[in-house]
Amino acid sequence: AQTVTQSQPEMSVQEAETVTLSCTYDTSENNYYLFWYKQPPSRQMILVIRQEAYKQQNATENRFSVNFQKAAKSFSLKISDSQLGDTAMYFCAFILSNAGGTSYGKLTFGQGTILTVHP
Amino acid sequence: DSGVTQTPKHLITATGQRVTLRCSPRSGDLSVYWYQQSLDQGLQFLIQYYNGEERAKGNILERFSAQQFPDLHSELNLSSLELGDSALYFCASSDSSLYGYTFGSGTRLTVV
Repeated sequence: AQTVTQSQPEMSVQEAETVTLSCTYDTSENNYYLFWYKQPPSRQMILVIRQEAYKQQNATENRFSVNFQKAAKSFSLKISDSQLGDTAMYFCAFILSNAGGTSYGKLTFGQGTILTVHP
Repeated sequence: DSGVTQTPKHLITATGQRVTLRCSPRSGDLSVYWYQQSLDQGLQFLIQYYNGEERAKGNILERFSAQQFPDLHSELNLSSLELGDSALYFCASSDSSLYGYTFGSGTRLTVV
């Protein structure tokens, strides 16, 4: 069974600074996808960034980037130039895929990290 | 609008009652997932359907059941409700690619 662990229950950062959220996962499979989701106070689940396991290059979406270390099974999220609107719960998630890129099974989530951005 | 529609948005009901939550997936998505999120908790996987068939099952109580219809919408039925069933219930749909995991806005269920 796959597991996802987020070891930081809460984090805080000053506006305009950089913060990194940690995520580790456990799987014996080689093909999978990783995601970071954001859940603001509205409780909507918003996809922040995604990564294919076979890709060495780390994904980047504007101020959000990941540090994907496959051997270490680590998938951290870096938020640069933090903004007040980044305040939210952040979830790391994992799903298996086959060699053709089709995912299967459930999307497994970590327990989440509450990020607060202070003005 | 994410393309995944969940109704109702809010539901308040009494213990012992039965409710049905509805989800319309994003156009073209064949997979539907149901998740439960209790207050300040992570997302617990309940069940997945793919093109009308049950594909995977998580920690879903026997009092809960789900189905996916030919038009691909899905319903989650919760019966003999207990106070502990109060939670946010999410539906997500997927086309099984890297890019296709989309969540609805959730149904907030309060059991009183």
